[in-house]
Amino acid sequence: DTEVTQTPKHLVMGMTNKKSLKCEQHMGHRAMYWYKQKAKKPPELMFVYSYEKLSINESVPSRFSPECPNSSLLNLHLHALQPEDSALYLCASSPGGRDYGYTFGSGTRLTVV
Amino acid sequence: DAKTTQPTSMDCAEGRAANLPCNHSTISGNEYVYWYRQIHSQGPQYIIHGLKNNETNEMASLIITEDRKSSTLILPHATLRDTAVYYCIVSGDSWGKLQFGAGTQVVVTP
Repeated sequence: DTEVTQTPKHLVMGMTNKKSLKCEQHMGHRAMYWYKQKAKKPPELMFVYSYEKLSINESVPSRFSPECPNSSLLNLHLHALQPEDSALYLCASSPGGRDYGYTFGSGTRLTVV
Repeated sequence: DAKTTQPTSMDCAEGRAANLPCNHSTISGNEYVYWYRQIHSQGPQYIIHGLKNNETNEMASLIITEDRKSSTLILPHATLRDTAVYYCIVSGDSWGKLQFGAGTQVVVTP
């Protein structure tokens, strides 16, 4: 299995809702990442997990809460989002280290109403 | 991480080689050059990476200048499916933390 699987593919949520995005990989990768991408902009790094521990938080608001329950799974919990948080949320994984590329999922397209 | 400069857009004829330049004049000795592409509404796709030497894989070739201040990604025979935004990224982060720049929009035309 050489894929990163993200679910759901599309999500519409209200500003008072709580929802979660899920990301799964079975490549044995030790690093996992969340990116946010607004329309016509490049992806922006949000969080980095290495060996299931949060190693980088790029000053992301607390309404986004990441979780790494095990080495294959990464969640992003969403609460009290704003319409400007509407974006494509991308998950990626890598073996870790500089001499590897990332494998990205196809993303979750989130709309906050 | 070093900053990169890429042209905003490029056109390429189908079947011809596409040469995508990237400047990274402030690159340091332990930083790699990575190339990714993103086809519309899909996740980015890893293409190739290198440190000093030229690299080739089934998708592309990466040519890094001897002073490492610039590089070129070569798609040998462009197809319509190569139309995408191509990102050149420089990073030396031990966990491979990648920061994307604006990239080059490549349009392959028949």
